[in-house]
Amino acid sequence: EAGVVQSPRYKIIEKKQPVAFWCNPISGHNTLYWYLQNLGQGPELLIRYENEEAVDDSQLPKDRFSAERLKGVDSTLKIQPAELGDSAVYLCASSTDYGTYNEQFFGPGTRLTVL
Amino acid sequence: AQKITQTQPGMFVQEKEAVTLDCTYDTSDQSYGLFWYKQPSSGEMIFLIYQGSYDEQNATEGRYSLNFQKARKSANLVISASQLGDSAMYFCAMSLIYNQGGKLIFGQGTELSVKP
Repeated sequence: EAGVVQSPRYKIIEKKQPVAFWCNPISGHNTLYWYLQNLGQGPELLIRYENEEAVDDSQLPKDRFSAERLKGVDSTLKIQPAELGDSAVYLCASSTDYGTYNEQFFGPGTRLTVL
Repeated sequence: AQKITQTQPGMFVQEKEAVTLDCTYDTSDQSYGLFWYKQPSSGEMIFLIYQGSYDEQNATEGRYSLNFQKARKSANLVISASQLGDSAMYFCAMSLIYNQGGKLIFGQGTELSVKP
């Protein structure tokens, strides 16, 4: 079974440029998460989807960040315009349910560097 | 507020010895789950072990065991017979279903280095 796929793995852009990250969850997983991981820190949730509905986006900086999950499968996270402080790893995860025991399977992440 | 605290930024252990990674949590919820993830330098988060708040026995998965002390709100990870491949970042995380919809709240992580 294929794991969570993310692309690109690395991205270097100049500040004020737009950038997009793509995630393909494990087949059959209806819950999808985007996490932000700053250097030396644990991941923090940006947004959670149940199928195609964003059910928790309280931590998403909506002035510059946007996300979508078309047809409840793939998801795209966008930043426009990027700022220096956005340099971090963006992790995508998926799970079959959001119960207390919801083992989340993570992708390899996209490492963003903003110059 | 819900919080996970890992007080050991870095740990060293000799190969084949056991090591304990500390984790304390703070929540007023009665129903929660505690997880440990491993993050090698390649970046992916690898699930290691899970403990539910109502589980009476400590969880074990191969060389990993979780020392769950509910009254102290601690969930320490014990790795027995350390291997060189265990060198990585280790994160403790908590999941709250009723208030947080199952999102994971992570600690700051502990970097484990296994010496040959």
